[in-house]
Amino acid sequence: DAMVIQNPRYQVTQFGKPVTLSCSQTLNHNVMYWYQQKSSQAPKLLFHYYDKDFNNEADTPDNFQSRRPNTSFCFLDIRSPGLGDAAMYLCATSRDHSNQPQHFGDGTRLSIL
Amino acid sequence: QKEVEQDPGPLSVPEGAIVSLNCTYSNSAFQYFMWYRQYSRKGPELLMYTYSSGNKEDGRFTAQVDKSSKYISLFIRDSQPSDSATYLCAMSFSGGGADGLTFGKGTHLIIQP
Repeated sequence: DAMVIQNPRYQVTQFGKPVTLSCSQTLNHNVMYWYQQKSSQAPKLLFHYYDKDFNNEADTPDNFQSRRPNTSFCFLDIRSPGLGDAAMYLCATSRDHSNQPQHFGDGTRLSIL
Repeated sequence: QKEVEQDPGPLSVPEGAIVSLNCTYSNSAFQYFMWYRQYSRKGPELLMYTYSSGNKEDGRFTAQVDKSSKYISLFIRDSQPSDSATYLCAMSFSGGGADGLTFGKGTHLIIQP
């Protein structure tokens, strides 16, 4: 049974049109992460939430935002997608900050027209 | 500095062979080391999670960490066609928590029937 669920699996949007990706988890984990994975590249951390505390990576573009309305859900908002934002977006969770592995969803593949 | 090097392959071996996958890293502050398996169009699946130097075995998989050489390995015994996937090494300073994970680019493994 999937424990980290991402919707949709595939998303197509137009250049500059805002898009929201969704992640939900049934693990009741405190921490939720968003990674960007471009073709044949390593996943790159964008930001994470520890409970309601938001932690942004220094090199994450301002175009990327996130919301976590409750423990189970986390959203990735891309305000004005550019062609370079086409990628797989991976959501992950971990129980807390210390010594806990991360568990990933199957990702959302985003295409920009 | 965050940098993890991993040969992208592809690595093609016959069924039943022992597979050796490797990563090197530059930052000696990494303490936790992981191997993930990623099938096409799926999210990374945690295979092994280790702390500091030493070996850890789980079924056909053995993870090895040599912190003095900044080198980690994953061995797969009796390889099966279902092991064909991309294998990502990952590491963190604090167990995958506040700093997220730093990944290698992944090695594409093909097990020939």
